[in-house]
Amino acid sequence: AQTVTQSQPEMSVQEAETVTLSCTYDTSESDYYLFWYKQPPSRQMILVIRQEAYKQQNATENRFSVNFQKAAKSFSLKISDSQLGDAAMYFCAYRTGAQKLVFGQGTRLTINP
Amino acid sequence: DTGVSQDPRHKITKRGQNVTFRCDPISEHNRLYWYRQTLGQGPEFLTYFQNEAQLEKSRLLSDRFSAERPKGSFSTLEIQRTEQGDSAMYLCASRLGQGSDGYTFGSGTRLTVV
Repeated sequence: AQTVTQSQPEMSVQEAETVTLSCTYDTSESDYYLFWYKQPPSRQMILVIRQEAYKQQNATENRFSVNFQKAAKSFSLKISDSQLGDAAMYFCAYRTGAQKLVFGQGTRLTINP
Repeated sequence: DTGVSQDPRHKITKRGQNVTFRCDPISEHNRLYWYRQTLGQGPEFLTYFQNEAQLEKSRLLSDRFSAERPKGSFSTLEIQRTEQGDSAMYLCASRLGQGSDGYTFGSGTRLTVV
């Protein structure tokens, strides 16, 4: 079964600094999609960024970027110029050929002013 | 379109009672998913529909759980004879079903079984 592991239960960063959240996954498939979701205290999941496994280029969305290492099965999220509004739970997720998302355990990100 | 709607937002019920939750997906999305999330954990997959067909059910979905999506529009998730272990946030999500499109999640229904 596919699994997603986030080894950092909690992270904190100073406002305006850069932080990297780690994620590894286990799969035997070659074609899949990876996502980072943000869940603020209001509890609604919001898609932050996505990556297609067949693309070598790392995805970027404004201050958010990923480091996708397919051979190492690693998919980290970098947040640049951290803002107070970035504080949330962040979930890494993998979508299988069966089209369901498999989530990691999450990383709670705190932004220190 | 206002996104994915879930009703109710909160539900408190006594152990042994039945509860039903509703999810209204984005209208053009043909795929609908139910997840369960306990405090401090990532969401766990329960079941999903493509249009009105229920295509996959997790082993987490015991016989007390049933989900429907009549006419491929809204969906309901029913839990019969609730147990304290059913207390969780129940999340609904939908997607169009094309390529790398992500899910759009609702705000969830928080169930507390007392």
